[in-house]
Amino acid sequence: GQSLEQPSEVTAVEGAIVQINCTYQTSGFYGLSWYQQHDGGAPTFLSYNALDGLEETGRFSSFLSRSDSYGYLLLQELQMKDSASYFCAVRDSNYQLIWGAGTKLIIKP
Amino acid sequence: SAVISQKPSRDICQRGTSLTIQCQVDSQVTMMFWYRQQPGQSLTLIATANQGSEATYESGFVIDKFPISRPNLTFSTLTVSNMSPEDSSIYLCSAQTGLLDAFFGQGTRLTVV
Repeated sequence: GQSLEQPSEVTAVEGAIVQINCTYQTSGFYGLSWYQQHDGGAPTFLSYNALDGLEETGRFSSFLSRSDSYGYLLLQELQMKDSASYFCAVRDSNYQLIWGAGTKLIIKP
Repeated sequence: SAVISQKPSRDICQRGTSLTIQCQVDSQVTMMFWYRQQPGQSLTLIATANQGSEATYESGFVIDKFPISRPNLTFSTLTVSNMSPEDSSIYLCSAQTGLLDAFFGQGTRLTVV
């Protein structure tokens, strides 16, 4: 079957750095995406990695290792507004997004 | 990127009735999808809305319960038919503009009483 594994919850302090890991097992792979969803809101696209390595977009970075079927989202200089759920997703051979269960990020002052 | 307008944003419906949710995209997109999400849970794909042909449904979802239309490349509707309290959920439409990115409407929070 197809599955993505990510921690259910991560807690960090404002101003710190946090890493959210994602491991995947899918039929076909067209890259790993990350989405942010605030309570009551819709998912918003953050980043994607099609090739191995690190992609940086401001305070957020995303990493992919295809040989390890592994990626992570790195959030730096955490702000209270970063409190949200973060989903990793892989587009499979049918071009459908396979979603992880989501990681709730709790940020403490 | 794409901006998606989804309506209604929320509704409370009587069991046995039907609700149609609309999604309008501000540009032509290749693929549109409909998801269901319980609060605090991940997204579950209901179906892929195909322009000019019948939608492709995921296991556990059928056309009679969730009829979908997609008359053109910017618009789609999802109907939740003969509703029961178990259909209470958040329904999201999504559009794909590239291979990996997806954009979402703001969701429809449905409560069936």
